[in-house]
Amino acid sequence: RKEVEQDPGPFNVPEGATVAFNCTYSNSASQSFFWYRQDCRKEPKLLMSVYSSGNEDGRFTAQLNRASQYISLLIRDSKLSDSATYLCVENSGYSTLTFGKGTMLLVSP
Amino acid sequence: DAGVTQSPTHLIKTRGQQVTLRCSPKSGHDTVSWYQQALGQGPQFIFQYYEEEERQRGNFPDRFSGHQFPNYSSELNVNALLLGDSALYLCASSLTEDYGYTFGSGTRLTVV
Repeated sequence: RKEVEQDPGPFNVPEGATVAFNCTYSNSASQSFFWYRQDCRKEPKLLMSVYSSGNEDGRFTAQLNRASQYISLLIRDSKLSDSATYLCVENSGYSTLTFGKGTMLLVSP
Repeated sequence: DAGVTQSPTHLIKTRGQQVTLRCSPKSGHDTVSWYQQALGQGPQFIFQYYEEEERQRGNFPDRFSGHQFPNYSSELNVNALLLGDSALYLCASSLTEDYGYTFGSGTRLTVV
């Protein structure tokens, strides 16, 4: 069975902190990976795609390590508005997505 | 440009009943996927429709069925509802060969 595993958290960090999440995947044939953000009782929204070469978008950096089959997300200078659940996602083929259970981030003043 | 729209937003049903959820994909998208998200869990893939055919299916029983119409909109049907079917049902649309998914805001189904 194809699995994506994440630490559920919550990660409690103060504003301005740097926080990192990891997730592992079991399907070595998966081609693409994503991080989604989900606010409470809302739909998931794409945060960023993940590439082997790394992907940076402002304060967010995503990295893929195929040898170890893990994906990371680094958030620098955390904002209160970053509080959400972060979902690690792999594209299992034919554009079907396998989601992890999510990691909850709580940023406090 | 309208995104993915789902209806209804909330629904309460009794065990054993049947339910139909609806999804209109984002303009220009031809592929619709359905996901079930139970409380505290990540979304789980139910099935995907393309060209009015079920192209992929996740690990869900036959009580879950669907349909895609010529205008690309889609329905999810669940028969013989169980308490465990209570969840947020998400529809996501995409364009074939493009990994850009757009999710609707979901239908929250409660089975009592």
